[in-house]
Amino acid sequence: DGGITQSPKYLFRKEGQNVTLSCEQNLNHDAMYWYRQDPGQGLRLIYYSQIVNDFQKGDIAEGYSVSREKKESFPLTVTSAQKNPTAFYLCASSRAGFNSGANVLTFGAGSRLTVL
Amino acid sequence: GQQLNQSPQSMFIQEGEDVSMNCTSSSIFNTWLWYKQDPGEGPVLLIALYKAGELTSNGRLTAQFGITRKDSFLNISASIPSDVGIYFCAGQLVPIKAAGNKLTFGGGTRVLVKP
Repeated sequence: DGGITQSPKYLFRKEGQNVTLSCEQNLNHDAMYWYRQDPGQGLRLIYYSQIVNDFQKGDIAEGYSVSREKKESFPLTVTSAQKNPTAFYLCASSRAGFNSGANVLTFGAGSRLTVL
Repeated sequence: GQQLNQSPQSMFIQEGEDVSMNCTSSSIFNTWLWYKQDPGEGPVLLIALYKAGELTSNGRLTAQFGITRKDSFLNISASIPSDVGIYFCAGQLVPIKAAGNKLTFGGGTRVLVKP
């Protein structure tokens, strides 16, 4: 079955360490996204990529970095510069790139990062 | 930037009740999506709406795309315990190349079971 796989599901990090969250999709989707979700809050966009080797900052990109070397993969690095990294991170993908009339996101199961 | 106000923020349901939630926007959208998120999981798409005035059902769920294109509502009929979760609305403008085709999400409605 096609889908999005995020790993790890749970991750603990010490302050000052970088950590990378994995996101892989086998849906043949062009676009991929990273969202952050805090308790009781909605989803905030961190980074998105419409095509391989290209990505754009979302609303809260500071302290994060991404790469898009392959269509299937869009890893997110939470750097030590992110002041409050403890959160639930969601990866998503969609079929359409630019100029799409309707763009439906498919989400992964999420990764919960806790900074100790 | 764009804002989506979703209400209520939380609600308690009793089995068999009908419940409603809505989303309003300061901007006009061309697409409205409704997602449900179970605890510790990613959101799953429930209903997608593409035309103003459109009314679409998915089982016990019904959603409408407001005529003004600035609002949408979701109704759950005859609620059951597994309806518990967080419901998100999301809206999308016609994509502009410079802006891509990002979704704007509401803050979510948390549905809980009455004790």
